[in-house]
Amino acid sequence: DGGITQSPKYLFRKEGQNVTLSCEQNLNHDAMYWYRQDPGQGLRLIYYSQIVNDFQKGDIAEGYSVSREKKESFPLTVTSAQKNPTAFYLCASSIGGGSSNQPQHFGDGTRLSIL
Amino acid sequence: GQQVMQIPQYQHVQEGEDFTTYCNSSTTLSNIQWYKQRPGGHPVFLIQLVKSGEVKKQKRLTFQFGEAKKNSSLHITATQTTDVGTYFCAEMNRDDKIIFGKGTRLHILP
Repeated sequence: DGGITQSPKYLFRKEGQNVTLSCEQNLNHDAMYWYRQDPGQGLRLIYYSQIVNDFQKGDIAEGYSVSREKKESFPLTVTSAQKNPTAFYLCASSIGGGSSNQPQHFGDGTRLSIL
Repeated sequence: GQQVMQIPQYQHVQEGEDFTTYCNSSTTLSNIQWYKQRPGGHPVFLIQLVKSGEVKKQKRLTFQFGEAKKNSSLHITATQTTDVGTYFCAEMNRDDKIIFGKGTRLHILP
């Protein structure tokens, strides 16, 4: 089955520690996205990538970093500079290429908490 | 910046009643997508509307895109407990960037 896999499902971070969230897709999609969702809130875009080796900041990129070395992988690092990292992190992908008809497919998410 | 406003933020309905959520923009939308997120789950794509005045139906769900392409609505007829969740509207622009509304959380009272 094609889809998006996020790992781990739950993650705990100590103060001053960087952590990396994994996102892998086998849908052959060009575009990939990272969102942050706080309890009872909507989705806020952190970073997105339209193609391999390229990515753009979203609305709340500060304290986060990404890489896109492979088409199928778009890991997100939550750095120690992110002072309030506790949230639900969702990865998504879409066909890309500026197509006007491209639904987003989401992974199951990673819940990050501070110890 | 580009924004998509959704109302209401919360809605409680008795099972069997109808439900509507609205999505509004100050600028013309190129398209509108609707997603559903069950409690504890991830958003799942429901439908996309592109044409002015477009209406699409999925069983008890009716989606509309305004004539001016500045608003959209999702209407659920005779709600069931399985309809519980948060409904998001979103616009995908030509740079593959998607802008989500803040969502409407639907609670069903038995």
